[in-house]
Amino acid sequence: AQKVTQAQTEISVVEKEDVTLDCVYETRDTTYYLFWYKQPPSGELVFLIRRKSFDEQNEISGRYSWNFQKSTSSFNFTITASQVVDSAVYFCALSEAEDNAGNMLTFGGGTRLMVIP
Amino acid sequence: DAGVIQSPRHEVTEMGQEVTLRCKPISGHDYLFWYRQTMMRGLELLIYFNNNVPIDDSGMPEDRFSAKMPNASFSTLKIQPSEPRDSAVYFCASSSQPTGHNQPQHFGDGTRLSIL
Repeated sequence: AQKVTQAQTEISVVEKEDVTLDCVYETRDTTYYLFWYKQPPSGELVFLIRRKSFDEQNEISGRYSWNFQKSTSSFNFTITASQVVDSAVYFCALSEAEDNAGNMLTFGGGTRLMVIP
Repeated sequence: DAGVIQSPRHEVTEMGQEVTLRCKPISGHDYLFWYRQTMMRGLELLIYFNNNVPIDDSGMPEDRFSAKMPNASFSTLKIQPSEPRDSAVYFCASSSQPTGHNQPQHFGDGTRLSIL
């Protein structure tokens, strides 16, 4: 069974600080996909990134970066120089790539990030 | 490009009434998903369709819930009769390929449902 754990339920940082959101996952599959979604106060879910299990390269997109480590089953998300607009709930999700199971997105409980001006 | 469109954005109704939530997926997407988000249970997949056919409805909480997809551009999630515990945000999402084949799901803005 697949499982995603986001141990940090809530984080507060002061603007311009760096912050890392943790995500730990469990799966028995060798092929799987990991995702991050952002849910701002307006409520919509915004896709941020997708990473395949075979691709352990870290990725950077502007102030966002992701650190994927299979050895620790983690897919952490770092925001550099945080801004008030980064305040949102961030969800990590996992999809196993086997037939119908490949369509099941299992979400973590989310981390609420508050960036204080 | 238009994203996933859900209606209504908010719905408030009394217990026992029938509720119908609507979703228009992104054009060309042949996978459609319905999720429910609550404080207690987080984001849960209720049901998903492929090419208008329901594939997995194991997440549908009980017989009061039903979902249909009469064509590629429209789906409904119906609750009859509604109960206060059905209060939640309901999201519709679509994707162009199976999620496990490297395509993300794109979500609508959600319908915030309140059952009094």
